[in-house]
Amino acid sequence: EIVMTQSPASLSVSPGERATLSCRASQSVSTDLAWYQQKPGQAPRLLISGASTRATGIPDRFSGGGSGTEFTLTISSLQSEDFAVYYCQQYNNWPPLTFGGGTKVEIK
Amino acid sequence: DVQVVESGGGLVQVGGSLRLSCAASDFSFSNYAMSWVRQAPGKGLEWVSTISGSGTYRYYADSVKGRFTLSRDNSKNTLFLQMHSLRAEDTAIYYCAKFSPKSYEEGGWMDVWGKGTTVTVSS
Repeated sequence: EIVMTQSPASLSVSPGERATLSCRASQSVSTDLAWYQQKPGQAPRLLISGASTRATGIPDRFSGGGSGTEFTLTISSLQSEDFAVYYCQQYNNWPPLTFGGGTKVEIK
Repeated sequence: DVQVVESGGGLVQVGGSLRLSCAASDFSFSNYAMSWVRQAPGKGLEWVSTISGSGTYRYYADSVKGRFTLSRDNSKNTLFLQMHSLRAEDTAIYYCAKFSPKSYEEGGWMDVWGKGTTVTVSS
């Protein structure tokens, strides 16, 4: 089973600033990585698949990068609606599909 | 709008059974694999199971294998998760999601999520 590790666990950022979230896989997953956003009391929402392809309707301030075992999600200028928990998920080697533990982006 | 709506959650005792349903609308249900993902209180996301569009292929997390059965009725655009021998650690919000594989029978991501249904297993 591929273990996904996200860092940091939480991140305090001021509105308008840039946030960079990391996700590491225990073995290579190529670019078979997705990112999700989850706000309190809501279901997750797909942001990115294929490590860097934004889902329909996702603003271009969200960008994903990386390959192999190291990935990043960057939010270029944080808006109030972006404060949430973000999860990465690998789909290269399955079953199982595996998620990272999440990074909580909080208002500074 | 493409959407999925879960139902069937509730309070059940340890060792009991429960069946969750997921009604899909506004997409060609039989053409798409579907998944369940759960989230224990205050915890992260855990993949539970995925079924192919035809229902031929089913995949399960080790934590539920042998206890949960995933099925679908394509004539009714509905997905089911039958859960038996429930344990306290099965307590979670269960999300139904449309699954998007990178290619046929390969892994993928969940691109449409329902709001979830809560399962509480009590001793």
